[in-house]
Amino acid sequence: GAVVSQHPSWVICKSGTSVKIECRSLDFQATTMFWYRQFPKQSLMLMATSNEGSKATYEQGVEKDKFLINHASLTLSTLTVTSAHPEDSSFYICSAARGSHGELFFGEGSRLTVL
Amino acid sequence: AQKVTQAQTEISVVEKEDVTLDCVYETRDTTYYLFWYKQPPSGELVFLIRRNSFDEQNEISGRYSWNFQKSTSSFNFTITASQVVDSAVYFCALMGNTDKLIFGTGTRLQVFP
Repeated sequence: GAVVSQHPSWVICKSGTSVKIECRSLDFQATTMFWYRQFPKQSLMLMATSNEGSKATYEQGVEKDKFLINHASLTLSTLTVTSAHPEDSSFYICSAARGSHGELFFGEGSRLTVL
Repeated sequence: AQKVTQAQTEISVVEKEDVTLDCVYETRDTTYYLFWYKQPPSGELVFLIRRNSFDEQNEISGRYSWNFQKSTSSFNFTITASQVVDSAVYFCALMGNTDKLIFGTGTRLQVFP
């Protein structure tokens, strides 16, 4: 089956630093990828839609300058948490859409801890 | 607006019991998809099922079964003869005309031996 890979699986960083998380579709091309955020014991909240070759579309309340998304190729989208703070600590999950008709594949998730 | 409601925050059962997880959705789209995912403690999302709005047939896969009823906007999930390995958080999700997936708040299932 299709595979979406995220890297790193977990990262610990100091407050004020920037962290980049990669999301790759390994065996298909994904024009659209999605980034979700999940706080402990909560649901997954859509942060933004990443479109290859164009700017990402952010959900209401998500700071675009804080969470930079780049979808430079059909197999890679990156999420950069800039000037991370402890409140940014969360589980970030990406998904990639293959074709249409609701075929979505999720990455393994990346756990960010900001000290 | 689209919305998914999972009213059961947490369910505890003893092994071999049957358990049903409820899911109610709201959407104005005529074409949409409904999903169920399992999230074990490790965090990754495990895909369980995708059902489009035109297919109301119930589905059974091993110990899992799903009951889709458009009349009540529900897509309930039943685990028969539950096992300890079924312990996880289960999310119901909805996708409308876009590929955006809207998740419910999840139901934490604990199966005790």
